[in-house]
Amino acid sequence: NAGVTQTPKFQVLKTGQSMTLQCAQDMNHEYMSWYRQDPGMGLRLIHYSVGAGITDQGEVPNGYNVSRSTTEDFPLRLLSAAPSQTSVYFCASSYTPLFGTHNYGYTFGSGTRLTVV
Amino acid sequence: DQQVKQNSPSLSVQEGRISILNCDYTNSMFDYFLWYKKYPAEGPTFLISISSIKDKNEDGRFTVFLNKSAKHLSLHIVPSQPGDSAVYFCAASPRASRSGSRLTFGEGTQLTVNP
Repeated sequence: NAGVTQTPKFQVLKTGQSMTLQCAQDMNHEYMSWYRQDPGMGLRLIHYSVGAGITDQGEVPNGYNVSRSTTEDFPLRLLSAAPSQTSVYFCASSYTPLFGTHNYGYTFGSGTRLTVV
Repeated sequence: DQQVKQNSPSLSVQEGRISILNCDYTNSMFDYFLWYKKYPAEGPTFLISISSIKDKNEDGRFTVFLNKSAKHLSLHIVPSQPGDSAVYFCAASPRASRSGSRLTFGEGTQLTVNP
């Protein structure tokens, strides 16, 4: 059981380049999210999805696009990379929380360290 | 506007002693609270959680306390072990709904447990 797999682990981009960070989970989780981690700022939500075909913006969505065509995959696209997007990116997934119960134990991937020069 | 705040960037304790990590929040809509642990070069791992209908939840050496009136929660680790050395993130979520997937994280606290 692989859990949440992120690729690549490291990436260096030039300003203006575009790329896609891949995220796949094999746990049949409905919820998937992308976070970025920056020093002193914790993890900030970029985009999230509550199921295939449904996505929504998080706290810091500008400069990023997502799509969710399958339950398993949730890629994050950087449209035109900027130095401010230098960060560590984490993908996470979880079961749908049922009303009256709480199961928000997200499973995180190991992260993609992105540097934009 | 930082809705979840961990005011201590770092904490150092001796092995065997208690570690207490603190977290404050401002959003009254938060209904569920979680703690994650993160080692370098790894993703965060879920540690323990608590619903707003409770004020305490225990899991082995880890206990989370919630004070709703003060909008404050804390994580107690007893006894602390060197393997507990990691960054600890507090996170909060609104009531179970589609927005329940929106976890808001604090800045993190680096815990160091000295042998």
